[in-house]
Amino acid sequence: QPALTQPASVSGSPGQSITISCTGTSSDVGNYNLVSWYQQHPGKAPKLMIYEVIKRPSGVSNRFSGSKSGNTASLTISGLQAEDEADYYCCSYSRTLPSYVFGTGTSLTVL
Amino acid sequence: EVQLVESGGGLVQPGGSLRLSCAASGFTFSNYWMSWVRQAPGKGLEWVGNINQDGSTQHYVDSVKGRFTISRDNTKNSVDLQINSLRTEDSALYYCARDGYGTGSCDYWGQGALVTVSS
Repeated sequence: QPALTQPASVSGSPGQSITISCTGTSSDVGNYNLVSWYQQHPGKAPKLMIYEVIKRPSGVSNRFSGSKSGNTASLTISGLQAEDEADYYCCSYSRTLPSYVFGTGTSLTVL
Repeated sequence: EVQLVESGGGLVQPGGSLRLSCAASGFTFSNYWMSWVRQAPGKGLEWVGNINQDGSTQHYVDSVKGRFTISRDNTKNSVDLQINSLRTEDSALYYCARDGYGTGSCDYWGQGALVTVSS
């Protein structure tokens, strides 16, 4: 099960907005609105930031938003803050098996 | 407060076996699918498998099929991962996670149990 493709790294200055892409196939991202995004700080467990493409769990800042077009999902973080510096992973339900597949991960640097 | 606490990790020789456990609290355990996700040192997340509410259905990623078994005990609010025929590439931090109800996501995670496979 190939991983979803994410950029290895992105960066932005405080206050700016950044977008992380997550590219899959018609067997996963393109066919299901079951894309989620996770934030992981070093040495910590992942934290759910977005689910079902666009929904935010209670307690997650509205600076985080999700979207999807075709086989590509995206996570946008607006008003970048130093605390946003972390690794970010997308995940999608896949009709293969069935199962879930994670993205390759993106390291966000806040300059 | 939802809590997931993994235990059972350790150092194992190639070909050996290990059983990880995850103790859940703070929610009605029997209402949720549960997943295991692993992360090799310095690498990304990999979904390993999950189990449905009554334990009758499990799904696994191809690379662990036939070697890994997920089970649960709803009377003890726990989910286990039995790992057999361990390979060096199975070395990872193994996370227990709760599947968000119908959301296709893992909404709560434990802190992980470290498995190291080495001779």
